[in-house]
Amino acid sequence: GAVVSQHPSRVICKSGTSVKIECRSLDFQATTMFWYRQFPKQSLMLMATSNEGSKATYEQGVEKDKFLINHASLTLSTLTVTSAHPEDSSFYICSATVSSGGLTPNYEQYFGPGTRLTVT
Amino acid sequence: AQTVTQSQPEMSVQEAETVTLSCTYDTSENNYYLFWYKQPPSRQMILVIRQEAYKQQNATENRFSVNFQKAAKSFSLKISDSQLGDTAMYFCAPEGGYNKLIFGAGTRLAVHP
Repeated sequence: GAVVSQHPSRVICKSGTSVKIECRSLDFQATTMFWYRQFPKQSLMLMATSNEGSKATYEQGVEKDKFLINHASLTLSTLTVTSAHPEDSSFYICSATVSSGGLTPNYEQYFGPGTRLTVT
Repeated sequence: AQTVTQSQPEMSVQEAETVTLSCTYDTSENNYYLFWYKQPPSRQMILVIRQEAYKQQNATENRFSVNFQKAAKSFSLKISDSQLGDTAMYFCAPEGGYNKLIFGAGTRLAVHP
């Protein structure tokens, strides 16, 4: 259980175009989804937090007009990189959380397999 | 700002031996979770072990265990009977409020036959 998918796994786009990445929780309803960026041989950097039906919360330094996040349902969040440039080339990872209930909800994050974006 | 320090960029261990990866962090939270994730070459993030800060007992998951020292804000991972499949990047990730995870820089672990 608790599987998260991402589509596409790899995408190449030309500079100036936009690209959309989908993140889906396949067998559970996610209370929150997160979007990360990972440069080669580096750690994950949180870009934004997404809750269904509300606006995403962006981390400091992340341009919200460039990285558009839409969380239309409890199983789908999308990240659109607008007017992409070569410096946007990176590995983008989403994760989804689900509360296991109980006195202390366990907000474990389940990660998607990532999307490699290359902007030429 | 909340920070996570993994002071060992790379570690190496022989198969069947034991290795400990260190992690220290800074947080203003009182009740929180801490996680260790591994990232193999496939780059899929895989949960290794989870610790609840309000529990004094250290978490154990098969060959993986943690040494959690809340006052010292230390959260080390011990891997016993290391296997070749344990070769991966390991990230320490305490919860930083609002269910966000704050990731350390990672430790690259190589298990040699």
